[in-house]
Amino acid sequence: SAVISQKPSRDICQRGTSLTIQCQVDSQVTMMFWYRQQPGQSLTLIATANQGSEATYESGFVIDKFPISRPNLTFSTLTVSNMSPEDSSIYLCSVDEVEQVLSNQPQHFGDGTRLSIL
Amino acid sequence: GENVEQHPSTLSVQEGDSAVIKCTYSDSASNYFPWYKQELGKRPQLIIDIRSNVGEKKDQRIAVTLNKTAKHFSLHITETQPEDSAVYFCAAIGTGFQKLVFGTGTRLLVSP
Repeated sequence: SAVISQKPSRDICQRGTSLTIQCQVDSQVTMMFWYRQQPGQSLTLIATANQGSEATYESGFVIDKFPISRPNLTFSTLTVSNMSPEDSSIYLCSVDEVEQVLSNQPQHFGDGTRLSIL
Repeated sequence: GENVEQHPSTLSVQEGDSAVIKCTYSDSASNYFPWYKQELGKRPQLIIDIRSNVGEKKDQRIAVTLNKTAKHFSLHITETQPEDSAVYFCAAIGTGFQKLVFGTGTRLLVSP
């Protein structure tokens, strides 16, 4: 499966600031996904990042708060804007196993970014 | 949209016992069901998955069963070991391409 690298692995930020999280994959993938995992909770999809088009956001998540870039088939960024303590979570990117757009392929996760807001 | 329920939230077993985690889903169009294991402080790792055209899949000590009619699927771990202790998440592909919807997770504790 693809090797997924996320940076930073963790950060402590002041409220009102913004942080950009990077996700790098060692192979070209069509679909990249961003999830949030709040402490002790399950994973919730924030958005799907498509190369060459705007990200598709899930209900409850907006572009102004979580802008996403996908400049090529191996890289994406998620920015958490104007952070508040409620944004303290683990943010994970994931990718499909295959390059082509196929349905129902396994998704694999990066190590995540543990974000704490003071 | 898709909704996935998972039970139990916590499961404690003795080493060597079997463990069963159950999930139900709401979208009858869902046709892919992966299971992830997440150890403390680590990424979720795919351990097994099943597609809707089969009813059971096994991989050594783990197996997954799917009942499409009842819209539920289960993870079975036999001969549990302390290293099986982790949080397990079920998931289903919901309406819309590749959108994984996760269950709430089961914390499995295997005592020696």
